[in-house]
Amino acid sequence: EDKVVQSPLSLVVHEGDTVTLNCSYEVTNFRSLLWYKQEKKAPTFLFMLTSSGIEKKSGRLSSILDKKELFSILNITATQTGDSAVYLCAARGSNYQLIWGAGTKLIIKP
Amino acid sequence: NAGVMQNPRHLVRRRGQEARLRCSPMKGHSHVYWYRQLPEEGLKFMVYLQKENIIDESGMPKERFSAEFPKEGPSILRIQQVVRGDSAAYFCASSPRDRAINNSPLHFGNGTRLTVT
Repeated sequence: EDKVVQSPLSLVVHEGDTVTLNCSYEVTNFRSLLWYKQEKKAPTFLFMLTSSGIEKKSGRLSSILDKKELFSILNITATQTGDSAVYLCAARGSNYQLIWGAGTKLIIKP
Repeated sequence: NAGVMQNPRHLVRRRGQEARLRCSPMKGHSHVYWYRQLPEEGLKFMVYLQKENIIDESGMPKERFSAEFPKEGPSILRIQQVVRGDSAAYFCASSPRDRAINNSPLHFGNGTRLTVT
């Protein structure tokens, strides 16, 4: 059965710290992995990764995919309180469905 | 705002009543997906529709739940005879066409939080 597992489930750090969120997947005919940030409402798209070893960056956020070991990480450097959110990872196989992880709840303390 | 629009944002229903959740996709998008999210859990796929056609409803309970996406107007997720276990956030997402072809990200609405009392 296809599955996506995220770790840790929750994380509390102080402003300025760097965090690494993990996502491992087992998906038939894997095509892509997506990261979303969810605050109190809609998940907002962060990254889509399809190739191993190519880092995607957006400001203080970056992500990379390892298709051999079947995982991805999301890094956030110099964290700010506005980074507090649930970070969701989803993997897509050969059909249209996304398989979602349970999310990592990140809390940034001032 | 050309984003995915869902309404209502919050919906309270008593057990046994009906709940109707609406979703208008982004402009130019013809495919709609409904997801359910329970507290502390990820998103669970329910149903995938295009205009006037249900593509996949494998994630939707067989009883009490139905969905439609008419030629004109928003997509509707309908829950009949609601029970407490239906309390959740229901998210709608849209994409321009079959994602299996273009592999594009989904764009989500802000969700409807259903509370069954």
